[in-house]
Amino acid sequence: DTGVSQNPRHKITKRGQNVTFRCDPISEHNRLYWYRQTLGQGPEFLTYFQNEAQLEKSRLLSDRFSAERPKGSFSTLEIQRTEQGDSAMYLCASSLFRHTGTLLGYTFGSGTRLTVV
Amino acid sequence: GQQVMQIPQYQHVQEGEDFTTYCNSSTTLSNIQWYKQRPGGHPVFLIQLVKSGEVKKQKRLTFQFGEAKKNSSLHITATQTTDVGTYFCAGSRGSSNTGKLIFGQGTTLQVKP
Repeated sequence: DTGVSQNPRHKITKRGQNVTFRCDPISEHNRLYWYRQTLGQGPEFLTYFQNEAQLEKSRLLSDRFSAERPKGSFSTLEIQRTEQGDSAMYLCASSLFRHTGTLLGYTFGSGTRLTVV
Repeated sequence: GQQVMQIPQYQHVQEGEDFTTYCNSSTTLSNIQWYKQRPGGHPVFLIQLVKSGEVKKQKRLTFQFGEAKKNSSLHITATQTTDVGTYFCAGSRGSSNTGKLIFGQGTTLQVKP
């Protein structure tokens, strides 16, 4: 297992276009998280899954954003009708939530840098 | 909503000097995690603190979780150029360690050789 993998690494798109990012987590991890990071800021929570169930979605996220994890393995994040304000690094992380009720540290992927022109 | 604040935002030190970053939450946290992000890289997990008043050490790094579980600190003794990067604290709220992490805005450390 080589860690959390994200594709593509970079994406440049025109305003109004749709984009989709993919995240492949560590196979043993049941939790998958999406965060967004802009320059000089900490990662901002977007949404997370436990297995295939989407447990929480940020209220900051507009209806243009949707995420799926259909088989509890990889996940996709889609942004429809992109805007310049969507330009950011989109980070995926995975973690293991144990039945004992404890959560381990996140393993982040290298991210997808989105530029909307 | 829950906020996690970190100070200072930037710190420049001479190699060999000590460094401390502080993390404060507006609400009680179930746990605190610390991450390091090198320039151009992604956050890398350092440690998790769960118990009130907990102190953990990793070589030259000392992590503390406050008694009220609303603040934390990271102290680096005798900094080295390899310590350069941005240090983030992140916490999850509530009584159980089950939810998402809320990240602070980070403290960026520069070390002059």
